[in-house]
Order: sequence, then structure tokens, then C-alpha cells
Amino acid sequence: EVQLVESGGGLVQPGGSLRLSCSASGFIFNSYAMFWVRQAPGKGLEYVSAISTGGGSIYYADSVKGRFTISRDNSKNTLYLQMNSLTPDDTAVYYCVKYRYGSPSSPGYFQYWGQGTLVTVSS
Amino acid sequence: SYVLTQPPSVSVAPGQTARITCGGNNIGTKSVHWYQQKPGQAPVLVVSDDSDRPSGIPERFSGSNSGNTATLTISRVEAGDEAEYFCQVGDSSSDWVFGGGTKVTVL
Repeated sequence: EVQLVESGGGLVQPGGSLRLSCSASGFIFNSYAMFWVRQAPGKGLEYVSAISTGGGSIYYADSVKGRFTISRDNSKNTLYLQMNSLTPDDTAVYYCVKYRYGSPSSPGYFQYWGQGTLVTVSS
Repeated sequence: SYVLTQPPSVSVAPGQTARITCGGNNIGTKSVHWYQQKPGQAPVLVVSDDSDRPSGIPERFSGSNSGNTATLTISRVEAGDEAEYFCQVGDSSSDWVFGGGTKVTVL
């Protein structure tokens, strides 16, 4: 059974930083691209960032480019999202998501989702 | 960037058919995927690549895609189908885009 468990969310002041983690199990982690997708309270879904199997291909939404950094440790089956210079607009539930393919350049879908971790940016 | 347009809400009586549309420019040339999200839960993939159903998804869920509109059809609607549904397309060249979501209410 595929399991994706996010952690690291919480309350942070504007301008602050947080690091999210996602522990994966139930599949061969280093064979699949991984994503972060977020959902602001009462809003829709928004792609945040993607990383290929080995980390050689990385993508960011324009809204987070230059502030967020995605990474993965295949030896620990763990995905990360370092979030800096946070603003209230970054307030959302952040989902760790397993992609259908190993490369984000292949048109595909989000196969499995974690339960999400809430990030609240407020003073 | 590419825009996907969904109706905000659809209402349907139990046992009837719900149709949720997802509009986009020449969306028929893209692969469309659909997710179901119940309150307080993570999204779940219900249809991939226009019309494929993942394992465990009832046959009542089906999809189609042509021209400028993709459609998710839920046949013989049950109370448990009440949820928000999102369409999605994309890849690294065009970003991954979601529709705004459609809330399905079972009357």
C-alpha cells in the first residue's frame, strides 16, 4: 500500500521559513517523480514544485520560484520542500504527491496523495 | 498559461447521472485527469488519461474528451459521491494545471 506522510507544517510569521518533509513507503521511491501541490483554505488545487527520480530535473510554479526549494533523499525515501520568505498567500495545505512517471516531462497525473500538512503564515 | 474552466456546482438526485465539464482550448488534444476530494480529505484520482479508471474506482465513473470540453460522468449517483471534483492537464512544458473544481451535491 502506498503511503505518503507529510510533516513540518505549522504557524510561521511572514518572511519566515519552514521545511516540509514527506516520508514515502509502499512503492519504489526512486522510480517516480514527486510533487508538492497546495490548497489554500476553501480554494482549489495548485501545483507548487516537481522533481524527477534522481533530482536532475526540477520545476517550480512562478508563484514560488526563487523562494522554495524541492529536494529528495532516495536513500531515506523522503521528499522535502524548503520554503523561505513566506507570505500570507502561501497559507495552504501542502500535499506530497506521487506522479505516474519517473520524469515530470511526461504528461501525466497525480497517482497518490498524502493527507497534507497545513502551513499558516500569519503575524 | 492554460486555463481549465469548470462549473462551480452540479446538483443531482440519487440514481441519476451527473455530468461535470472541464473546458479548455483544444483540450481534446490533451490527456485529462479527474480527482475527487471529500471534505477534510486528500484528493483521489478517479479517472486518468481521459477515460481510464484506476483500480478500485467504480465503473459508474467514466470520462470523455473532445474538442474544447472534457466530461466526467457519474452514473447511478450515490450519496457517497458527494464531493468536489477537479480536472487536470499538463506536463513540464506547460505546467500542471487544475480546474477550479465542481462541487457535486446529491439531493
